[in-house]
Amino acid sequence: QKEVEQNSGPLSVPEGAIASLNCTYSDRVSQSFFWYRQYSGKSPELIMSIYSNGDKEDGRFTAQLNKASQYVSLLIRDSQPSDSATYLCAEYSSASKIIFGSGTRLSIRP
Amino acid sequence: EAGVAQSPRYKIIEKRQSVAFWCNPISGHATLYWYQQILGQGPKLLIQFQNNGVVDDSQLPKDRFSAERLKGVDSTLKIQPAKLEDSAVYLCASSQTRGKPQHFGDGTRLSIL
Repeated sequence: QKEVEQNSGPLSVPEGAIASLNCTYSDRVSQSFFWYRQYSGKSPELIMSIYSNGDKEDGRFTAQLNKASQYVSLLIRDSQPSDSATYLCAEYSSASKIIFGSGTRLSIRP
Repeated sequence: EAGVAQSPRYKIIEKRQSVAFWCNPISGHATLYWYQQILGQGPKLLIQFQNNGVVDDSQLPKDRFSAERLKGVDSTLKIQPAKLEDSAVYLCASSQTRGKPQHFGDGTRLSIL
């Protein structure tokens, strides 16, 4: 079973700082990666998708993909208390399967 | 654009009873997914449909779980009989096609007594 691994946290970051979330995956051939945010008691919502090596920016969010090292990361600039949530990393594997990590809990302290 | 609709939002049943969940995906989305999410864990894929065909049901406990998407639009997931370990949130998601970003419904929180 191919896996997606994330540090469960909690990751505590002061307000206004950069939050860095990381994810590693085992399927070398995976092409598509997604970051979802999940507030407590709510369903996941898509933040970003990334398909090629390098950085992809959307507002305060930057996704980074490094296929050689098999990791994908999410940077959140100018962190706000509303960013406090669990962040889920997911890959679309070579076997056409969606695999989610267990999530990293992020806490932004005022 | 209307989102993914799920019902019911909450369900409480006793073990060995049966339960069914309903999902209506975003209009035009060919791929539909059912996930089980246990507290503190990531979503676990139970079954994936492409139109009305099953693409992946490798993690579906087929002795008690069943799902269908007869007309390639809405879908139902059934559990019969329920066990205590089935207590979880059941999420439905849809995407335009396989490999594209998914959009989730609000989920059904199932409690087994």
